[in-house]
Amino acid sequence: GQQVMQIPQYQHVQEGEDFTTYCNSSTTLSNIQWYKQRPGGHPVFLIQLVKSGEVKKQKRLTFQFGEAKKNSSLHITATQTTDVGTYFCAGLDDYKLSFGAGTTVTVRA
Amino acid sequence: GAVVSQHPSWVICKSGTSVKIECRSLDFQATTMFWYRQFPKQSLMLMATSNEGSKATYEQGVEKDKFLINHASLTLSTLTVTSAHPEDSSFYICSATGPYSNQPQHFGDGTRLSIL
Repeated sequence: GQQVMQIPQYQHVQEGEDFTTYCNSSTTLSNIQWYKQRPGGHPVFLIQLVKSGEVKKQKRLTFQFGEAKKNSSLHITATQTTDVGTYFCAGLDDYKLSFGAGTTVTVRA
Repeated sequence: GAVVSQHPSWVICKSGTSVKIECRSLDFQATTMFWYRQFPKQSLMLMATSNEGSKATYEQGVEKDKFLINHASLTLSTLTVTSAHPEDSSFYICSATGPYSNQPQHFGDGTRLSIL
């Protein structure tokens, strides 16, 4: 079955710095979705990428979908304390989402 | 925006009890609802997919007699953990999507289940 791998598992970032989390699928995806889960909370949808090579931005967040539609990345610039949480990528294959392991982000002021 | 309500938020009960968790889409018709289980500091594991009016599709390794799912309407799905044991303690989260399966999933707040 489809497997989605995500690295790094943990990211400890100095406030103001940038970081990137990467996602790779064992199969070609229909689309890839990104979610953010705050500690104690539930996943919240951030964005969906559908087209090969697609790039989307949300303020300080930049999402990319690979040309082969098998990988994706999330890049956050100028990290703030509000960015704390776990970021999951999820690949859509048929009708099911397969979630990556998540990248848990902590920020030091 | 799309809102999914999940109830209850917390359940603590004795071993052997059956527990029902409700998942409701409040402002849209959820043709498909998903049930996930999440262990501490781990990712979401899909347990089953339910479509309104039909039997749920369970993932490999998930006991359908243990985790009963009913999706009786376009706005409500329920998960019943039957004869719960301590190893069933976990965070259970539902999500809903619709009317097309490639749309984003909207998650409920989750239910933290503790079996004593």
